[in-house]
Amino acid sequence: DAKTTQPPSMDCAEGRAANLPCNHSTISGNEYVYWYRQIHSQGPQYIIHGLKNNETNEMASLIITEDRKSSTLILPHATLRDTAVYYCIALNAGGTSYGKLTFGQGTILTVHP
Amino acid sequence: EAQVTQNPRYLITVTGKKLTVTCSQNMNHEYMSWYRQDPGLGLRQIYYSMNVEVTDKGDVPEGYKVSRKEKRNFPLILESPSPNQTSLYFCASSPTGGYGYTFGSGTRLTVV
Repeated sequence: DAKTTQPPSMDCAEGRAANLPCNHSTISGNEYVYWYRQIHSQGPQYIIHGLKNNETNEMASLIITEDRKSSTLILPHATLRDTAVYYCIALNAGGTSYGKLTFGQGTILTVHP
Repeated sequence: EAQVTQNPRYLITVTGKKLTVTCSQNMNHEYMSWYRQDPGLGLRQIYYSMNVEVTDKGDVPEGYKVSRKEKRNFPLILESPSPNQTSLYFCASSPTGGYGYTFGSGTRLTVV
């Protein structure tokens, strides 16, 4: 699975959009981009995933560049409860490593009042 | 309520005393997995299972065993725990292996 690179930390003001970048320049054609987050010491929470089209759900939007080498997770109106570690993961949905979800170091997002 | 249930939440044990951390899911998911989380090392996968009787090693399987005799249960077994297995453990399940993993609340294990 492709390696992903994320900034170690980011800040955001409450009510503003939080844009979290992820670089996955070696991603292959059948690898999806997944985003999870972990609040304090709770279990990670699935946010969103995509292959090449932009995706939106009730939690966030995912923008994937046309060349698929990078993506951005957007939390449209960040709240204090969005303070967490955000993980970007590239995973081959049909390969032999299917199910082997590997977490990197992630981005610590801090939302300020 | 759809959930992954781990037990116990907290456990302090002594070196060498066999223990089992249970994990059960009520969503009929095929995929289940165990992770450990340590400061500075992040979440690392121990074992995963793609279906009943099908298990495979993750990144850090040494010192652990798993079994998947039933779809809903995926216990983690430490035959002879050592202090370096002191960690926060998470069990997770998913319908497909990548999409929508649901994680348990965690088990904080201390081996003295």
